[in-house]
Amino acid sequence: DAKTTQPPSMDCAEGRAANLPCNHSTISGNEYVYWYRQIHSQGPQYIIHGLKNNETNEMASLIITEDRKSSTLILPHATLRDTAVYYCIVRVADQGAQKLVFGQGTRLTINP
Amino acid sequence: DVKVTQSSRYLVKRTGEKVFLECVQDMDHENMFWYRQDPGLGLRLIYFSYDVKMKEKGDIPEGYSVSREKKERFSLILESASTNQTSMYLCASTDRYGPQHFGDGTRLSIL
Repeated sequence: DAKTTQPPSMDCAEGRAANLPCNHSTISGNEYVYWYRQIHSQGPQYIIHGLKNNETNEMASLIITEDRKSSTLILPHATLRDTAVYYCIVRVADQGAQKLVFGQGTRLTINP
Repeated sequence: DVKVTQSSRYLVKRTGEKVFLECVQDMDHENMFWYRQDPGLGLRLIYFSYDVKMKEKGDIPEGYSVSREKKERFSLILESASTNQTSMYLCASTDRYGPQHFGDGTRLSIL
């Protein structure tokens, strides 16, 4: 799996958009970008994933640059419950039976 | 929505006890996983299963065994619990192409 780089921490005001960056300059053509988050003392939660087109679901939007070397997870209207560690991972889609490996992630704090 | 349910959120057991952690998923996923998560060590894979009655060792299988008698259920067994098995245990499931979905975790303390 390609290596990812994320800032260790970020702050965002409640109600504003939280934009979390991820660099993955060595991503291969068949690797997807996945985002998970982990709220304190809970299991990791899948958020979204994409290959090269921007993706949106009820939780977030994922913007992938045209060269696919970086991406941004956007939480459009952050709430206090979005405070968590966010993990960006790149992996091939059909690796369902392969273990998941998280890096250090970004600790996002939403401030009232 | 995918639902992965772990039987207990918190569990306290004594050294030497046999401990069972249960995990059930409701999406007919082929693949199920048991991880443990410790501060500074990240996620570590204990065992996974890609089909009923099939299992594969992960990175740290020592001291653990697993059982998958039905597709929806994957059990982790600590044969003789030791204090170094105090940890957060996470179950996950997925089909071949989708993301892994996790349960809420079981925080296990061995005294």
